[in-house]
Amino acid sequence: DAMVIQNPRYQVTQFGKPVTLSCSQTLNHNVMYWYQQKSSQAPKLLFHYYDKDFNNEADTPDNFQSRRPNTSFCFLDIRSPGLGDAAMYLCATSGLGSTSPFQETQYFGPGTRLLVL
Amino acid sequence: GEDVEQSLFLSVREGDSSVINCTYTDSSSTYLYWYKQEPGAGLQLLTYIFSNMDMKQDQRLTVLLNKKDKHLSLRIADTQTGDSAIYFCAERYDGATNKLIFGTGTLLAVQP
Repeated sequence: DAMVIQNPRYQVTQFGKPVTLSCSQTLNHNVMYWYQQKSSQAPKLLFHYYDKDFNNEADTPDNFQSRRPNTSFCFLDIRSPGLGDAAMYLCATSGLGSTSPFQETQYFGPGTRLLVL
Repeated sequence: GEDVEQSLFLSVREGDSSVINCTYTDSSSTYLYWYKQEPGAGLQLLTYIFSNMDMKQDQRLTVLLNKKDKHLSLRIADTQTGDSAIYFCAERYDGATNKLIFGTGTLLAVQP
């Protein structure tokens, strides 16, 4: 089945130690998104890639970076995690420009829960 | 501003109908979505509705859209304990990037 995969599902890191979260997709979608979701809150968009074009949200801290080496993979790098960065990180994809609204919908992975000690 | 609002909590008994409400702000939104999130999991797309529709039915789910009042609702018929989760509505406010604004989420608790 086509899907959005996130690894690892749980990640523990130390304060200030760089960490990378991974997302891959088999949907061949051209857009990939990264969201941060804190407890009891709605997901908050950090940035997205439209093909190779990176689009940062205005209020995303510089501590958060992303890479998309190819269509299938996208990485979220947190350069110096703080205690406030502990959250669920969600990756989503969509097939923008498709004639099908079903394809243009955002599909989410299971998330990676990050714990910062 | 861009705010999508939902009530925080809804409790129903198994077998009853649940209605989760959402108000959105951008009248130009083309699509509105309902997602379900179970504890510790990602968001699962339940259904979506195009802005020129008033109603969409999909098995136990019925979505009603009142564009004049910017009000969206999700009705779940014959609610089951497996429906217990947080439900997010979302509006697509940027067609060029398909960016979504999510509501605050409604926790649905189904009592056996």
